[in-house]
Amino acid sequence: QKEVEQNSGPLSVPEGAIASLNCTYSDRGSQSFFWYRQYSGKSPELIMSIYSNGDKEDGRFTAQLNKASQYVSLLIRDSQPSDSATYLCAVTGRRALTFGSGTRLQVQP
Amino acid sequence: EAQVTQNPRYLITVTGKKLTVTCSQNMNHEYMSWYRQDPGLGLRQIYYSMNVEVTDKGDVPEGYKVSRKEKRNFPLILESPSPNQTSLYFCASRKVGGALPRPYEQYFGPGTRLTVT
Repeated sequence: QKEVEQNSGPLSVPEGAIASLNCTYSDRGSQSFFWYRQYSGKSPELIMSIYSNGDKEDGRFTAQLNKASQYVSLLIRDSQPSDSATYLCAVTGRRALTFGSGTRLQVQP
Repeated sequence: EAQVTQNPRYLITVTGKKLTVTCSQNMNHEYMSWYRQDPGLGLRQIYYSMNVEVTDKGDVPEGYKVSRKEKRNFPLILESPSPNQTSLYFCASRKVGGALPRPYEQYFGPGTRLTVT
């Protein structure tokens, strides 16, 4: 079992819709959770961090964490073509930051 | 400007020819790390360093070496590169400390695309 799992996609949504990206993790001791956005050939860029159960909103982005179910999600409201990228979920485990393989999001104009 | 820099950005080399990829950060971060990224496998950590002269293996250290003689620099060394080390490499850094569960956020360099023929 991978430590951090994401559906590889692509997830295709129309412009203006809500994109929902999901991630599950295996280490129950994980305490910190991050979402990175990565455009093709570019470096990952941190867009959200969440540390406690519930929702955290920042602009069009909302991160949701449920430690009991061991999942974290990212909602992108009013999706724009510029949001088309791969979204990486990252979880702090015992030793280091562990990344999922990413979900590719395509926003159709 | 706060940043992580890597050089070179692109490198094509041949099997067995030693190479070094440099990484430097200007944010006075204690923690530095190297990742490789391959299609379908995501980001995998090669080595990391918690501070000067302190390094440790990540998930895929075979075939790589690192050193941390100065706080700002963390070079990645491939003593005898092989084609299976063809990949996109990222250096990253962050501060250490701060009480969990709020570790400092990690920042990435622009990446080095390495091709070994």
